[in-house]
Amino acid sequence: QQQVKQSPQSLIVQKGGISIINCAYENTAFDYFPWYQQFPGKGPALLIAIRPDVSEKKEGRFTISFNKSAKQFSLHIMDSQPGDSATYFCAASLRQGAQKLVFGQGTRLTINP
Amino acid sequence: NAGVTQTPKFQVLKTGQSMTLQCAQDMNHEYMSWYRQDPGMGLRLIHYSVGAGITDQGEVPNGYNVSRSTTEDFPLRLLSAAPSQTSVYFCASSLTQGQPQHFGDGTRLSIL
Repeated sequence: QQQVKQSPQSLIVQKGGISIINCAYENTAFDYFPWYQQFPGKGPALLIAIRPDVSEKKEGRFTISFNKSAKQFSLHIMDSQPGDSATYFCAASLRQGAQKLVFGQGTRLTINP
Repeated sequence: NAGVTQTPKFQVLKTGQSMTLQCAQDMNHEYMSWYRQDPGMGLRLIHYSVGAGITDQGEVPNGYNVSRSTTEDFPLRLLSAAPSQTSVYFCASSLTQGQPQHFGDGTRLSIL
């Protein structure tokens, strides 16, 4: 059972554009929602994370938007750059079980120069 | 600071063979986990440990064993490899509950 559904599977964006990746979750007990960035041949690296007590969190060009009632959250990458080309994973877990992450399927993002 | 180190980086096995994937961290992290990554399925938790001597099953534990005799090491054992275990395996660690996980660079395992 896929508890976190991520879309799209792949995304192509022009340099300078906005990249948007969406995730939906099922377990209403989840209360920690991180995004990971993965480059080829490397492990995932934490990019940004949010807890459900806020609707938005911004770090530089990266923003998480969170909609608790819809059980959805999304990653926005502003002014997308070729160096942002990577695979992105959303995830969710219980706050007290943050080592037990449930991941989305991943989105391969390509930023065209 | 090495972080999370996984060895080997690549391995090819024959069906039925056994092997151990090694994971070591030098950050004195209490929590360690093993995930497998398969195309279109993201990462799935195999086993995890909340401290030395304590392990538990994740989402896909069948066919894998773990032990945690020290804080630093968390090896993953395949007792009798099957083609369905062909995957990329990632080890991760975090300082405490609720802290971000740090991932190693993975072991790419092929079982023929």
